[in-house]
Parts: sequence; C-alpha cells; structure tokens
Amino acid sequence: DVKVTQSSRYLVKRTGEKVFLECVQDMDHENMFWYRQDPGLGLRLIYFSYDVKMKEKGDIPEGYSVSREKKERFSLILESASTNQTSMYLCASSPMTGGAGELFFGEGSRLTVL
Amino acid sequence: QKEVEQNSGPLSVPEGAIASLNCTYSDRGSQSFFWYRQYSGKSPELIMFIYSNGDKEDGRFTAQLNKASQYVSLLIRDSQPSDSATYLCAVNRREKLTFGTGTRLTIIP
Repeated sequence: DVKVTQSSRYLVKRTGEKVFLECVQDMDHENMFWYRQDPGLGLRLIYFSYDVKMKEKGDIPEGYSVSREKKERFSLILESASTNQTSMYLCASSPMTGGAGELFFGEGSRLTVL
Repeated sequence: QKEVEQNSGPLSVPEGAIASLNCTYSDRGSQSFFWYRQYSGKSPELIMFIYSNGDKEDGRFTAQLNKASQYVSLLIRDSQPSDSATYLCAVNRREKLTFGTGTRLTIIP
C-alpha cells in the first residue's frame, strides 16, 4: 500500500514563526502536492512538484515555499506564519507522469497559528 | 464562476436508495475527472475516475460524464450508512487536480 506520512498531526505556532511541514512517500511517486483544506473553501492547491528540485506554484502560493531535495520528501515552509494560515494541510503523491491523477493523501497536519 | 462546482448539501438519502451527486466544471479542456470520498476527520480517498463520455460502473458506484454539458455525476446504488461522507469532485486541468468544495451525504437508516 502507498503510504504518505506527514510528520506532525497537530501543531500550534505563534504569528511570525517559521513553520516546516514535512511529507514523505514510500512508493517512488514522481508527483507530490501540498493542499490546504478549509470549511466552505474545499481543497486548494498551494504548490506541487513533478521531480526532484522542481516546484510549481498552485492556486494559493502566497506566504508559502516548498523544498524537494529528494524524490520521496516534499516540505512545505511557512516563512512567517500568520493567523490566516491556520488550516488543515494535506500532502499527496501521485504516480502519473506529467500530471495529477490518482492522489494518495497523508493524514493531514492541522496547524493553528496564534 | 468557480472552476469546479458542487452542491454543498447536506444531501439526505434513505438507506437502500440511490444517492446522486453532481458536479459541473468550467474548463472545456479538462480531460479527466475524479470522485473522492472523505470521512469526517479523515483524508480524501479515491473511489472513481472517468475519462470518456458515458458511464463507468464499479460495484455500487457509477460515474457519469457529459463533456458537452460539462458535468460529471456519481451514483451510489443501495446506499449504506457507511456511505455517509463528504464527496469531492476533482477535475484534471493543466496538469493539476482542482477540487470542488464537496457534497455532504448522509444515509438515513
């Protein structure tokens, strides 16, 4: 079974702190994605990556950055956390070359920024 | 206009009946379409995908696609209480998946 592991299930941070959310997948998938999920707004794509060292902006990249140094690991970085970044963050991977197909999601990281 | 639109519900269906979930999309260039199920407090999981016009059946689930009308639907036959969840429609456009906000389905025993 594909396993996507997110390092932290629950985090509480203060405004202005730097936050790292880590995601690791064990199925050698090329594609990895970071979404945030908010009530009434659904899942929104923050960043994605189709290869090591490669990254593309999604629909809401402002305030975020990403790093993909190894194929299995995709990190989301909040350079200076703000209260409007309080959300559920979902990492996903996909085996489809050249695009998103079936996504396998991690369990999510619920971030609260105070 | 939202890129992917779904009725947020809640949609209540008696046990054993057919649940019908609908989704419309705005980009005519969209090529593939997915239905995910998300239980409360859990992550989404894929239940169906469809690429071609028409129907695709998998057990109690049937996905229907009409590209001319830009809609995709999911039918759940013989609905069970375990089908109670939020159903997310997703559309592959420009090499990324865009999700609707989901329809909350409740199956009433």
